Formats: sequence, structure tokens, C-alpha cells
Amino acid sequence: QQQVRQSPQSLTVWEGETAILNCSYEDSTFNYFPWYQQFPGEGPALLISISSVSDKKEDGRFTIFFNKREKKLSLHITDSQPGDSATYFCAATGGNNKLTFGQGTVLSVIP
Amino acid sequence: EAAVTQSPRSKVAVTGGKVTLSCHQTNNHDYMYWYRQDTGHGLRLIHYSYVADSTEKGDIPDGYKASRPSQENFSLILELASLSQTAVYFCASSDISNERLFFGHGTKLSVL
Repeated sequence: QQQVRQSPQSLTVWEGETAILNCSYEDSTFNYFPWYQQFPGEGPALLISISSVSDKKEDGRFTIFFNKREKKLSLHITDSQPGDSATYFCAATGGNNKLTFGQGTVLSVIP
Repeated sequence: EAAVTQSPRSKVAVTGGKVTLSCHQTNNHDYMYWYRQDTGHGLRLIHYSYVADSTEKGDIPDGYKASRPSQENFSLILELASLSQTAVYFCASSDISNERLFFGHGTKLSVL
């Protein structure tokens, strides 16, 4: 049972375009949603996060949009750069110190 | 910068053999985690610990044991390795807020 789902599995955009990565969840007790970025051969690293009391969180070119009613969120990467090519994981927790990850979206940015 | 070090970086094991993966953190964090990464499944939690000498089962604990002998060290033990346990294993640590996990570089385990 996948409690956190991501789509698409892979995404290719041109340099300068906006990449949109989607995430949905099932557990209504989830209240904190971090996104992790992983480069090949490395461990994931926290990129940006949002709590359920907010509907938007922005950090430079990265923005999370959150819809609590629909249990959906998305990560928008504006002005995508080749260096943004990585795997992006949406995750969720309800405060029980257990983080549940989605299956990931592999982003490729073509110069 | 927070540091989580895993060893070995890669390992080849035989089916039925015993495998121990080690993790060391210098973050002074209370929480430590073992995740498994497989293509199409993302990261799945195997075991975690919030204090030395105590471990908790995660979402997929079957076939794995964990040991937390000190705050800094957390090991994952496969008593009888199986083909299905071929994967990349990540250790992570966090403070009590759990708002940010710091991951190691991973251990690539191949069971033949």
C-alpha cells in the first residue's frame, strides 16, 4: 500500500522551462511534507518543505503548492537548469517520527 | 555540516550469509534510521531508533535486525541474506523534530 504517490515517474524538460512534479497522499494525519533531492551515487538531501497549515512555500526557484482538501501537493521548479537533473522524493509524516516517501520522480533537464 | 558515514560503500554477499551494515553520525542526533531504496519503490523504512540500546520496527522489518549500541552508531544486520535483499541501503539521522533527515551516501548490497 503506497501511502504517498508521485507522478510522473520521469520528466524531461528543456532548460529554462518550469518542471511540475506531483504528489498525493492518503493519510489525513500527515501534516508535514518535505521534498528531498537525490543525485546519482548520493543520499537524498532536504530541498524544501511545507506544513499543512500553509498552502504555498517558496524558496528561490522551488515552490510547493499544497491542497489539503484534495490531499495533493506539487513541486514547481521554475527556470529549470541542467544541474537540477536528479530524483525528487515527496515525503510525509504525521509527527510520529516516521517519514513515508513516495517512489520518486526522475527529472532530466536538457540544455 | 552534519555527517552520516556508512560502511561499506558496497558489498557482495552470498545467499544465506550474514551481512552487517554500519552507520556512524557526528550530528549529536537522537534519531537514526535505516531505509532501503529500490527502483519503483522509493525509500522504505526498515528500522529506526530514538535512543541508544533501543530499536523500533519500521514498515518493512522482516529479515532485518538493528542494533544501536551508542548514540553515534546504528547497524543493520541481515542474519540470512536473500536475493530479494539486493538493494541500496541508506542510513539517516535527525533531531527530535524529525523535520530534516541527514542521509549517508548509501551502501549498495548485492546478494548472489
